[in-house]
Amino acid sequence: DAKTTQPTSMDCAEGRAANLPCNHSTISGNEYVYWYRQIHSQGPQYIIHGLKNNETNEMASLIITEDRKSSTLILPHATLRDTAVYYCIVRGTILGNTGKLIFGQGTTLQVKP
Amino acid sequence: GAGVSQSPSNKVTEKGKDVELRCDPISGHTALYWYRQRLGQGLEFLIYFQGNSAPDKSGLPSDRFSAERTGESVSTLTIQRTQQEDSAVYLCASSYRETQYFGPGTRLLVL
Repeated sequence: DAKTTQPTSMDCAEGRAANLPCNHSTISGNEYVYWYRQIHSQGPQYIIHGLKNNETNEMASLIITEDRKSSTLILPHATLRDTAVYYCIVRGTILGNTGKLIFGQGTTLQVKP
Repeated sequence: GAGVSQSPSNKVTEKGKDVELRCDPISGHTALYWYRQRLGQGLEFLIYFQGNSAPDKSGLPSDRFSAERTGESVSTLTIQRTQQEDSAVYLCASSYRETQYFGPGTRLLVL
C-alpha cells in the first residue's frame, strides 16, 4: 500500500475550520484515501473516504487534488471534542486483497478554546 | 444500531498465562480484522477473516498468537504463554464492503 505523510501535530481554535493535510504521492489509480480518527483511549472512528472526487458528510469534507498525490481533511467548525489523532490511510479495494489498514503515526490535532 | 463490541474491556494477567479476547462484529459484516496498538504507537494488523475463506494470518507476530471465527459471527484472539511485550490494546474491526468499523478494544496488561 502507498505510504502517507502527515504533520505530527496541529493546533486549531475552537469554532474555526481545521485543515489537516496528507501527502500520498505514490498512490495508485485504484487506491482510496481514508481518514480515521482516534480519540484518547477509544477505538479508531471512521470519518470519510474518497477516490477522485471531493467528498462531504456530516463529519467532514475531503478535498483530493487532481493528481491525487495529496488530500486535505476539513473539519468545518472544530470543537474541543474533535481533539484526537487523525490518520490518513491509502488502501486499495478489498476485492482480491486483505484490505487491511496500514496506520502511520497520524496528526495529533489539539483544538483549543 | 449496535457497533462492534469487545470483551473484556481490560485484562491483567501474569506472564506465562494464556488469554482469550473476544470480538462481536456488527451483524451482517462478513469481514473481521484484529489489530494491536502498543502504547503511543499506531495500529498493527494481525489477522483478517472474510466469510469462509482462509484467514490472512500474515500479521500475527508469533505462533503464540492464534484467532478463530465461526462463520460470520464472533471471533476470539488467543495469546498463549503471554509475555510482557504483549501488553497493548487489541482492537477488532468489521466491515461489510470497504469501510471498517472498530470496537473499543481490549487493554491487555501482562505483569
